[in-house]
Amino acid sequence: DIQMTQSPSTLSASVGDRVTITCRASQSISSWLAWYQQKPGKAPKLLIYKASSLESGVPSRFSGSGSGTEFTLTISSLQPDDFATYYCQQCNSYSWTFGQGTKVEIK
Amino acid sequence: QVQLVQSGAEVKKPGASVKVSCKASGYTFTSYDVNWVRQATGQGLEWMGWMNPNSGNTGYAQTFQGRVTMTRNTSISTAYMQLSSLRSEDTAVYYCARGVDKGGTKTSDYWGQGTLVTVSS
Repeated sequence: DIQMTQSPSTLSASVGDRVTITCRASQSISSWLAWYQQKPGKAPKLLIYKASSLESGVPSRFSGSGSGTEFTLTISSLQPDDFATYYCQQCNSYSWTFGQGTKVEIK
Repeated sequence: QVQLVQSGAEVKKPGASVKVSCKASGYTFTSYDVNWVRQATGQGLEWMGWMNPNSGNTGYAQTFQGRVTMTRNTSISTAYMQLSSLRSEDTAVYYCARGVDKGGTKTSDYWGQGTLVTVSS
């Protein structure tokens, strides 16, 4: 199975900060990567697909990049609504794996 | 609007089975896969498997092979996930999610509200 490793596990930041989260795959997954945001007690929300394509309705301060085994999610200017947990997800041969999550906390 | 509405919370004893339902509306049920993902309290997301509502074809994560069964009733646009031989570690919120192919990436764009399954003696 392909393993997904996110870093950091927790990130403390202030409103207006630029934030970057990294996701590494144990083997190449081309660009078959998605990013989700999850708030407490809520279902995950799709932010990014195909590593860098922004889902409809998602603010442009969110961006994704990478291919192969290393990927990043960047929030260009952190907003109060962005404090949440973020997960990467790969799909290979219709078997999904999620990263362990990165919690973005208020500094 | 697309909605996935799941059945209510369940409490089960170890060794029992649970069946969670997921009723779809706002789109053609047979045109999109249904994925199931679970999340233990304070933990990350764990993919359980997928089902094609049109064909009934399924694919399960190795972790759940032999314990999980995903089915559907197309006449009422409802998907089901049954997990057997429950143990305390299966206590979690279970989500259904509509599967989509976005630019070649298989992911989920709409999710149910989640169903809490508690396994306790």
